[in-house]
Amino acid sequence: EAGVVQSPRYKIIEKKQPVAFWCNPISGHNTLYWYLQNLGQGPELLIRYENEEAVDDSQLPKDRFSAERLKGVDSTLKIQPAELGDSAVYLCASSLGVRSSYNEQFFGPGTRLTVL
Amino acid sequence: AQSVTQPDIHITVSEGASLELRCNYSYGATPYLFWYVQSPGQGLQLLLKYFSGDTLVQGIKGFEAEFKRSQSSFNLRKPSVHWSDAAEYFCAVGPYNTDKLIFGTGTRLQVFP
Repeated sequence: EAGVVQSPRYKIIEKKQPVAFWCNPISGHNTLYWYLQNLGQGPELLIRYENEEAVDDSQLPKDRFSAERLKGVDSTLKIQPAELGDSAVYLCASSLGVRSSYNEQFFGPGTRLTVL
Repeated sequence: AQSVTQPDIHITVSEGASLELRCNYSYGATPYLFWYVQSPGQGLQLLLKYFSGDTLVQGIKGFEAEFKRSQSSFNLRKPSVHWSDAAEYFCAVGPYNTDKLIFGTGTRLQVFP
């Protein structure tokens, strides 16, 4: 069974340019997470989807970040415009999303973004 | 405030030696605790979890962890480290449904032959 797929794996852009990351979760997983992992830090949740609904986006910097999961399957995270401080690894994770139950999160390999 | 502290940024051990990675947490509700491993270029993989019951939990790859409520700790151990264990290890705390995991800053493990 395929795991969480993310692309691209690496991206280098100049500041003020837009960038987008794509995530395809494990088949059948209803919940999808986007995390930000700065160098030397643990992952921090940016946004969580249950199916196509963003149920927790409190940590998403909405002035420049946006995300969508239109059909409740794959998802795109966008930054426009990118800033130097956005250089980090962007992780996607998914889980079954069974309510009131333990749901193990499965992580993708991440997209490493470098903003010059 | 909810937080996880991993006091050791970098640990180096010889292959075959024992290992203990420290984790302390602060969490207002009943803590559910997790250890993840991240190898270079890989996503995070769950090693083990603690919800309740026996405070010593066994995980994959020969790892175990002990929950000590009095010390707010959940340290990860392995009796004999293999070179393939070199990776970054993250402790996390969160609710039962894991929707709001809070990760520590990680401990990088280096293994010498």
